[in-house]
Amino acid sequence: AQTVTQSQPEMSVQEAETVTLSCTYDTSESDYYLFWYKQPPSRQMILVIRQEAYKQQNATENRFSVNFQKAAKSFSLKISDSQLGDAAMYFCAYNQPGTASKLTFGTGTRLQVTL
Amino acid sequence: EAQVTQNPRYLITVTGKKLTVTCSQNMNHEYMSWYRQDPGLGLRQIYYSMNVEVTDKGDVPEGYKVSRKEKRNFPLILESPSPNQTSLYFCASSPGGGPYGYTFGSGTRLTVV
Repeated sequence: AQTVTQSQPEMSVQEAETVTLSCTYDTSESDYYLFWYKQPPSRQMILVIRQEAYKQQNATENRFSVNFQKAAKSFSLKISDSQLGDAAMYFCAYNQPGTASKLTFGTGTRLQVTL
Repeated sequence: EAQVTQNPRYLITVTGKKLTVTCSQNMNHEYMSWYRQDPGLGLRQIYYSMNVEVTDKGDVPEGYKVSRKEKRNFPLILESPSPNQTSLYFCASSPGGGPYGYTFGSGTRLTVV
């Protein structure tokens, strides 16, 4: 079974600085999708960024980018120019095509943003 | 507006009293799933449905039931809730998994006393 590991339960970053959240996963498949979700205090699950495993280019969405290392099974999220609104729980998730839309989540990283 | 609607948002109940958490989506999605979120464990899949009348167990199905009689609705039923089912529950839908993305409901905070 696939597993997703987030080894940083909590992280802190100063406003305007850059922070990187780590995620590793375990799979024997070659075709899959990886996601980062943000969960603010409102608890809504918000998609931050998505990566398709067959694409070597790292995904980017404005201030959010990933470092996808397929051989190392690593999928880290970099947040640039951090803002107070970035404070949230961040979840890394994995989807295997053909598994009935199942998302396998990591345990989450709580990000604090300080002034 | 395309959305997944869950109700109720908060629920406190007593052990053994049957309850239903409703989930409805207006996007004509094939796939629907239920997850529970617990501190230190992330989100874990309870049940999923690939289409009407097609449901199957996820990773933590014990103590839960689901049904999919209509494409838009996917209720989660706890027939005899216990305190270990105190959790935050999410319903999610997708047209077909990873390539198409997922839409989550706003969550139901359930407390069983």
